[in-house]
Amino acid sequence: GAGVSQSPSNKVTEKGKDVELRCDPISGHTALYWYRQSLGQGLEFLIYFQGNSAPDKSGLPSDRFSAERTGGSVSTLTIQRTQQEDSAVYLCASSLGSLAGEYGYTFGSGTRLTVV
Amino acid sequence: SQQGEEDPQALSIQEGENATMNCSYKTSINNLQWYRQNSGRGLVHLILIRSNEREKHSGRLRVTLDTSKKSSSLLITASRAADTASYFCATSGNTPLVFGKGTRLSVIA
Repeated sequence: GAGVSQSPSNKVTEKGKDVELRCDPISGHTALYWYRQSLGQGLEFLIYFQGNSAPDKSGLPSDRFSAERTGGSVSTLTIQRTQQEDSAVYLCASSLGSLAGEYGYTFGSGTRLTVV
Repeated sequence: SQQGEEDPQALSIQEGENATMNCSYKTSINNLQWYRQNSGRGLVHLILIRSNEREKHSGRLRVTLDTSKKSSSLLITASRAADTASYFCATSGNTPLVFGKGTRLSVIA
């Protein structure tokens, strides 16, 4: 598509429930990133996919968080047994390049997750 | 820990004035990028400056990079109300981009 698409744009869930957040990157972008942003804060890196390589999961805050990327395109971030501290905006981005950072990232509009 | 630290945290100026935001970082980088974020949603890439570059221009934006001081600045000239947003620097050093906490710019008409 023309941009990075994320769904849903807003999600309210009860504490303890599982949620799935979806990201559809720009066609042809081999790299896909998930970040989260708490209110008034910077972006916290979660996970990175590059082509068919094993993902870099070093930013995932706990084993309740997981992500997959099917067919090198769409990605799903899953949070199990949600907690109130998981409330944040979850941002997905894609880019053409590798970690050398020679290309800018294109971000989606994010999913605002609220755990009540 | 976050690599980039923007300064100031918040900046309020009159329309037509110039806005300068600074970014400091700790480790060596491949390049540095600046992004804008409106209303707490998706970020928009503004400009990328490589580690071997000292200055770069794009429209009303001017970015400088001083690798000896590990710092960068973003200058927005002749600011407009539409420039009101948060601005983030992000550094790349063979890791996913590391973002600072941003500078909140308010341009008053």
